[in-house]
Amino acid sequence: DAGVIQSPRHEVTEMGQEVTLRCKPISGHNSLFWYRQTMMRGLELLIYFNNNVPIDDSGMPEDRFSAKMPNASFSTLKIQPSEPRDSAVYFCASSLYELGTGDSYEQYFGPGTRLTVT
Amino acid sequence: DAKTTQPTSMDCAEGRAANLPCNHSTISGNEYVYWYRQIHSQGPQYIIHGLKNNETNEMASLIITEDRKSSTLILPHATLRDTAVYYCIVRPRGGKLIFGQGTELSVKP
Repeated sequence: DAGVIQSPRHEVTEMGQEVTLRCKPISGHNSLFWYRQTMMRGLELLIYFNNNVPIDDSGMPEDRFSAKMPNASFSTLKIQPSEPRDSAVYFCASSLYELGTGDSYEQYFGPGTRLTVT
Repeated sequence: DAKTTQPTSMDCAEGRAANLPCNHSTISGNEYVYWYRQIHSQGPQYIIHGLKNNETNEMASLIITEDRKSSTLILPHATLRDTAVYYCIVRPRGGKLIFGQGTELSVKP
């Protein structure tokens, strides 16, 4: 298995531009998570999906951030317009969610996208 | 907020056991103890988790005290590749992973 795939690995953009980060979860996994990591705030959960449905987006910082999961094998995190304070490493993770137990197994993280907004 | 307390950093000699402590004095009966680690420039990696019994897998052992207020992650024979930040996380079934600052473990030759 290739693991969780994220693209691009690095993104440099100017303030005000739209940024789209992409994630392909592990095949067969039905939960997907977006995290952001900065030195100041550490690793924060932004949003997560179960079976392509957003369950909790309370970590999304503001309306400039949006996430979609159109199918089981693809998700995007979009920032529009981007600001310098959005500079961070963004991680996508996936896991297997069991409806019967209402719980997920361990999360598998991708390599991250390092975003720099100038 | 993270519900765990970990030392900021620790050193360990290569080949020796690394014992990483974690305090979680407010843990509830339905909450699990999870350990993840993050090697520099990589995404976090799951290590092990437990509820109240000690657990062991190919990576590590998890020792949870009887009152469940603290735990220790043991890497039996640390290698240089085990240098990483180790996160202890308390999580209820179905709950979110909330990462704290973790312990930065340096394995030295």
